[in-house]
Amino acid sequence: DQQVKQNSPSLSVQEGRISILNCDYTNSMFDYFLWYKKYPAEGPTFLISISSIKDKNEDGRFTVFLNKSAKHLSLHIVPSQPGDSAVYFCAARRVSGSARQLTFGSGTQLTVLP
Amino acid sequence: NAGVMQNPRHLVRRRGQEARLRCSPMKGHSHVYWYRQLPEEGLKFMVYLQKENIIDESGMPKERFSAEFPKEGPSILRIQQVVRGDSAAYFCASRDSGANVLTFGAGSRLTVL
Repeated sequence: DQQVKQNSPSLSVQEGRISILNCDYTNSMFDYFLWYKKYPAEGPTFLISISSIKDKNEDGRFTVFLNKSAKHLSLHIVPSQPGDSAVYFCAARRVSGSARQLTFGSGTQLTVLP
Repeated sequence: NAGVMQNPRHLVRRRGQEARLRCSPMKGHSHVYWYRQLPEEGLKFMVYLQKENIIDESGMPKERFSAEFPKEGPSILRIQQVVRGDSAAYFCASRDSGANVLTFGAGSRLTVL
């Protein structure tokens, strides 16, 4: 049962253009969403997050949008840079008692072409 | 302020041997998570521990896998009698109480021959 889905395994974008990475979820109990970036042979690095009470959060070139009714979130990167080439994981958090665990999507490989 | 430290970074084992993966959380973090990434797949939750307690092990296989986070020392993920299907990258993450964000280590890549 894949509760967090990233349906695009890969995405290629020209440098300077916008990258849009998408993520869908099924569990309405998720209350917090995060994006992580991962380079080869490294651990995932936190990028940006959004609470379920908001619909947008912006941090520099990165903006995350949340559409709760559609159970959909997206990460926009503009302008895209070659250094942004990495695997991007969407994650969702559900608080159950004292446990806070993240459920990850399968990732999208972003390639930014110079 | 060192991040989450995992060792070994690479571990090769033959079928039937034991694998022990260590994780030292960030200083001050008392919550530790283990995730596994199989080839071509995303990160799958395995276990969540606080000092000396397993909080949630719903993602851990029932047999051969165990985890601990003792009062002193690193968290240990132990895999007994490894099989080829255990070959994966194992990531540890930690957080502070009340924090939403997990900080990940660089991972331990296990190869079972």
